[in-house]
Amino acid sequence: AQSVTQLGSHVSVSEGALVLLRCNYSSSVPPYLFWYVQYPNQGLQLLLKYTTGATLVKGINGFEAEFKKSETSFHLTKPSAHMSDAAEYFCAVSPMDSSYKLIFGSGTRLLVRP
Amino acid sequence: GAGVSQSPSNKVTEKGKDVELRCDPISGHTALYWYRQSLGQGLEFLIYFQGNSAPDKSGLPSDRFSAERTGGSVSTLTIQRTQQEDSAVYLCASSLEDRVFNYGYTFGSGTRLTVV
Repeated sequence: AQSVTQLGSHVSVSEGALVLLRCNYSSSVPPYLFWYVQYPNQGLQLLLKYTTGATLVKGINGFEAEFKKSETSFHLTKPSAHMSDAAEYFCAVSPMDSSYKLIFGSGTRLLVRP
Repeated sequence: GAGVSQSPSNKVTEKGKDVELRCDPISGHTALYWYRQSLGQGLEFLIYFQGNSAPDKSGLPSDRFSAERTGGSVSTLTIQRTQQEDSAVYLCASSLEDRVFNYGYTFGSGTRLTVV
């Protein structure tokens, strides 16, 4: 069965610093991969997704993620953090045998220090 | 509507009572999902509806949980005889089709359920 592991329940960075949120998945075949962001008291919003093709995927708000099959990873990065990036971030996989279902990681809360 | 609407946004109930949570998906979205988000945990899949097909109920944690979708639109998640462990944020999402890799989900803001 597929699973998703997000390392670090909390990540704190200074404004302007690199953001790196880690996501590893467990799957016998490369799944479809997603990053969602949840701002306080709001629903989840899709940041970016990987399905096929280019392994470096660009999303909204300057975020990007790279699919590395050999490492079974899909880490989320942003070169320069902004205060407005403070939120909870969820990595998710869609199992190839259940195209409608998303399996989520436990989330990483990003704190941005001024 | 413009987005996925959930009501109520907050619900406090006494242990043992029944609760109903409502979800209004985006107009035209045929797929509807319920997830549960517990404190410090990821989102847990509960149930999925697609058109007139039989729903996927594989994620419902017990027979106290049930959901229906009337007329292919509004959905209601019912929890009977609530327990404290049911306290969580219940998120609804809808999608244009059931292929999440094409369209992704659009989530509502959730209903925060607190069982006291």
